[in-house]
Amino acid sequence: GDSVTQMEGPVTLSEEAFLTINCTYTATGYPSLFWYVQYPGEGLQLLLKATKADDKGSNKGFEATYRKETTSFHLEKGSVQVSDSAVYFCALSLYNQGGKLIFGQGTELSVKP
Amino acid sequence: DAGVIQSPRHEVTEMGQEVTLRCKPISGHNSLFWYRQTMMRGLELLIYFNNNVPIDDSGMPEDRFSAKMPNASFSTLKIQPSEPRDSAVYFCASRNSGGAGNEQFFGPGTRLTVL
Repeated sequence: GDSVTQMEGPVTLSEEAFLTINCTYTATGYPSLFWYVQYPGEGLQLLLKATKADDKGSNKGFEATYRKETTSFHLEKGSVQVSDSAVYFCALSLYNQGGKLIFGQGTELSVKP
Repeated sequence: DAGVIQSPRHEVTEMGQEVTLRCKPISGHNSLFWYRQTMMRGLELLIYFNNNVPIDDSGMPEDRFSAKMPNASFSTLKIQPSEPRDSAVYFCASRNSGGAGNEQFFGPGTRLTVL
């Protein structure tokens, strides 16, 4: 079935370090891909998305490229800040499934000053 | 726009009691989703509606759970009777169903504790 796999956390980095959170997917069709972020005590917010192969989503210094050949959508940021500490969720959506999201298990990021 | 509104934000109840969670989606959105988040199971889709009609309720854990959407601006998730294992954060989300790339907007969640 359709699924999303993320690297396990928690990930602990120092401020200004480079961030990569790996995400791979399995899908029967051509999914749209998303990264959501959840700050403590809050709901999920869309961070970025890509709707077709080779698209790059970007927002707030974060980037992810839709790689169909490797079925991946890895999240990257060149220089993390303490305020980036949160849980990050990779997700996919298929057109024929009413837009429902299939989430990965989430990766907790902790950035230390 | 006020975003997705959920109430209550916190609910503490005793085992066996009925619990009703409420959601008001963003105006103009025609799809609504209920999720449950726990440490053990992560984020799980319970049920979703399209144009007020339940489309997929395969994630509803058992008959104790029920969800309704009587109109485009209101939905409820009811647990009766509640059990300690239902303790979780319940999220409601809505979207405009124009394509798979349209994002879902999440509410702040209801933290449910069943004693």
